[in-house]
Amino acid sequence: GAVVSQHPSWVICKSGTSVKIECRSLDFQATTMFWYRQFPKQSLMLMATSNEGSKATYEQGVEKDKFLINHASLTLSTLTVTSAHPEDSSFYICSARVVGAITGELFFGEGSRLTVL
Amino acid sequence: KNQVEQSPQSLIILEGKNCTLQCNYTVSPFSNLRWYKQDTGRGPVSLTIMTFSENTKSNGRYTATLDADTKQSSLHITASQLSDSASYICVVSAIRVASGTYKYIFGTGTRLKVLA
Repeated sequence: GAVVSQHPSWVICKSGTSVKIECRSLDFQATTMFWYRQFPKQSLMLMATSNEGSKATYEQGVEKDKFLINHASLTLSTLTVTSAHPEDSSFYICSARVVGAITGELFFGEGSRLTVL
Repeated sequence: KNQVEQSPQSLIILEGKNCTLQCNYTVSPFSNLRWYKQDTGRGPVSLTIMTFSENTKSNGRYTATLDADTKQSSLHITASQLSDSASYICVVSAIRVASGTYKYIFGTGTRLKVLA
């Protein structure tokens, strides 16, 4: 199957700093990538839909100025958590949809655990 | 309203036993249904994907069923192993006909614990 790589796997930062998480589709092109947040023992919560070459679509309640998403190419989307605070600590996961896939198959990254001190 | 409900919320079984997880959905227009396995601290991994016309699909010890009439799916795990301990997530996709784009609706997941 297709591979989606996330980097970094985990990051610890000080409150007030910004953190960038990368999501790459390694062996396929993805016009659409999705970013999720997951709290312990809960399911994934969709944060935003990232479309290559255009602005991301954010879910209700997600601050677009707080979570900056850039999808500059068909294989890379980035999520930047700006001015991070302890409440932003979470597990962030991305997924990508294969271009032209009839079934809209989704492939997930391994996730990035953010801890804000 | 598009919704996906999973049951049970959590489940504990002994190694070697079988179990069945349920997924009920109200998603329209339905495109397909997927079951994912998510190990703690990892991203979800696809187990099966089922379209409207498929009733049963197997992947090793995992067998998924789909009843499109009742809008129910189940994931049956045979001869469970310790490594089956994970969260199992049901994801139903709806297709926006006008744009051809997909909307994915996630279930809340079932947390399975297999004990030795």
